[in-house]
Amino acid sequence: EDQVTQSPEALRLQEGESSSLNCSYTVSGLRGLFWYRQDPGKGPEFLFTLYSAGEEKEKERLKATLTKKESFLHITAPKPEDSATYLCAVQAGAAGNKLTFGGGTRVLVKP
Amino acid sequence: DAGVTQSPTHLIKTRGQHVTLRCSPISGHKSVSWYQQVLGQGPQFIFQYYEKEERGRGNFPDRFSARQFPNYSSELNVNALLLGDSALYLCASSLFGDSSGANVLTFGAGSRLTVL
Repeated sequence: EDQVTQSPEALRLQEGESSSLNCSYTVSGLRGLFWYRQDPGKGPEFLFTLYSAGEEKEKERLKATLTKKESFLHITAPKPEDSATYLCAVQAGAAGNKLTFGGGTRVLVKP
Repeated sequence: DAGVTQSPTHLIKTRGQHVTLRCSPISGHKSVSWYQQVLGQGPQFIFQYYEKEERGRGNFPDRFSARQFPNYSSELNVNALLLGDSALYLCASSLFGDSSGANVLTFGAGSRLTVL
């Protein structure tokens, strides 16, 4: 059974204080690892897809990396508008496009 | 362009009642999936439909059912509601729904169900 674990559960940052979120996964036949951002009361918003170990993708202050066992989401010089819950999910094997999510990391960036 | 639209946005039911949630996918998307998100947790997979056929089912009781219509919209039905069914129900659509490659899912804003 696919498993995804995110840490930490919550992160409080000062504006400009860079940090990293961790996503550890155990799957059989990874097809893609996804990062989503979710604001309170809204649906997840797609950020990145990573396909193979060593791959990196960037978007503004966010950078996602992938190894064979985990993924990191680096937030560089965050701003208050980066405050959200960040969700990691995997698609694997022959399970259609089912996503298995981790529990998320709640990020609060204080000005 | 319209994204994934869900209705209703909020609803309150009592234990034992039935609920129907509706979802319209992005135009051209042929796969619709349903997820349950309990407060403070990540979304949990309920169903996937692709080309009007069920392609996957999560670990949910038979009280949960769904279907996809010829226009690719979808309904999620939950019978005999329990207090534990209170959650945000998310619909997601994607262009494809098979197991080749990685398919990006676009989520709607969700339907917030409260069971009293």
